[in-house]
Amino acid sequence: NAGVTQTPKFRVLKTGQSMTLLCAQDMNHEYMYWYRQDPGMGLRLIHYSVGEGTTAKGEVPDGYNVSRLKKQNFLLGLESAAPSQTSVYFCASSYVQGWLDQETQYFGPGTRLLVL
Amino acid sequence: GDSVTQMEGPVTLSEEAFLTINCTYTATGYPSLFWYVQYPGEGLQLLLKATKADDKGSNKGFEATYRKETTSFHLEKGSVQVSDSAVYFCALSALNSGYSTLTFGKGTMLLVSP
Repeated sequence: NAGVTQTPKFRVLKTGQSMTLLCAQDMNHEYMYWYRQDPGMGLRLIHYSVGEGTTAKGEVPDGYNVSRLKKQNFLLGLESAAPSQTSVYFCASSYVQGWLDQETQYFGPGTRLLVL
Repeated sequence: GDSVTQMEGPVTLSEEAFLTINCTYTATGYPSLFWYVQYPGEGLQLLLKATKADDKGSNKGFEATYRKETTSFHLEKGSVQVSDSAVYFCALSALNSGYSTLTFGKGTMLLVSP
């Protein structure tokens, strides 16, 4: 199993450009997440999905959109990139066994994005 | 809202020293607690977890005990190695609009020298 994979690994954008980050998992997990990691801020949840065709906002959703058309894929889009979106983006997925057994999240290797 | 507070780093130790990284949390209900580790250039990996009060999570020589009375989940290791150098994140999992999401601390960098 490849686990959670992310493409691309690194990207440079100019302000105003758009792009899509792709996350794929082969563990048949229901839940998928997008986080951003910034120095001194830890990880902050952008959007998440609890199943195919469903998405929800996290802590910092502004400027991002997501789609979950297939169970194994979770796409993060930036319609008009801004320098404030320079960050490392991590995707994660998890399998929910029950609400009392809070799930373990499995992370991808990250995408480093620089917006000039 | 839910929050996690970790001690600021970097924590600098010599090989074979004892490690403690403090973590306290604020949450409603009964969260599960996690420690994740991030090695340079990589994503986060689960190190250990505890799902209820007084549970002890352990892995690779690391331990943490879920203390409800002090709302803490401190990470400890008796003898660190150079290979333990990484960033460690404490996190809690709680219900958000009916679904479970993770809230992370800001991370603590550990540097172990030979």
